[in-house]
Amino acid sequence: SQELEQSPQSLIVQEGKNLTINCTSSKTLYGLYWYKQKYGEGLIFLMMLQKGGEEKSHEKITAKLDEKKQQSSLHITASQPSHAGIYLCGADMYSGGGADGLTFGKGTHLIIQP
Amino acid sequence: GAGVSQSPSNKVTEKGKDVELRCDPISGHTALYWYRQSLGQGLEFLIYFQGNSAPDKSGLPSDRFSAERTGGSVSTLTIQRTQQEDSAVYLCASSLVGQGVGNQPQHFGDGTRLSIL
Repeated sequence: SQELEQSPQSLIVQEGKNLTINCTSSKTLYGLYWYKQKYGEGLIFLMMLQKGGEEKSHEKITAKLDEKKQQSSLHITASQPSHAGIYLCGADMYSGGGADGLTFGKGTHLIIQP
Repeated sequence: GAGVSQSPSNKVTEKGKDVELRCDPISGHTALYWYRQSLGQGLEFLIYFQGNSAPDKSGLPSDRFSAERTGGSVSTLTIQRTQQEDSAVYLCASSLVGQGVGNQPQHFGDGTRLSIL
């Protein structure tokens, strides 16, 4: 089963509208990372959340981690064509300084309609 | 360079051949990670290096896969006797310190797109 669920899988939004992408786990997340990917390119780091209830913003993108540290949301305000791409959440699923890489959701494909 | 550099960017090879993928991390980053991204599977963690050592190789898909890192910098991922199911984008990432130690973000290269004919 998928340890990190992202929803929706794809999203078509009219330019200027707001949108939210969710990332959910049944386990406690020890570090939650949001990335953006364009086709044929690598992942661009957006934000990192570590503490329950934490919220960070950069330009028109806001990310939150819930108090239980099992769910994160990414919110884009007044979407623009430059926001189009695949958004991925990645999480450190293990505490105690483990040597494992991040576990990723399957991504949300965002399309912005002019 | 300023970012993580991977080469080649694209590789097409025949089934059964060996391939070697290279990753040059951000200067000063001690941790290096390999991931595989394929359609329908998402991003799959393969292996992690702290310095030159890889504490856990269990994420490698089969014994045809191996990775090494020398001098605490460049890493190579080698796939022997390639199979069609090895076709994917192989992504490398580096971070200042290892996962779970201060939680530093991983920075990714653009990947190597591997196609096995």
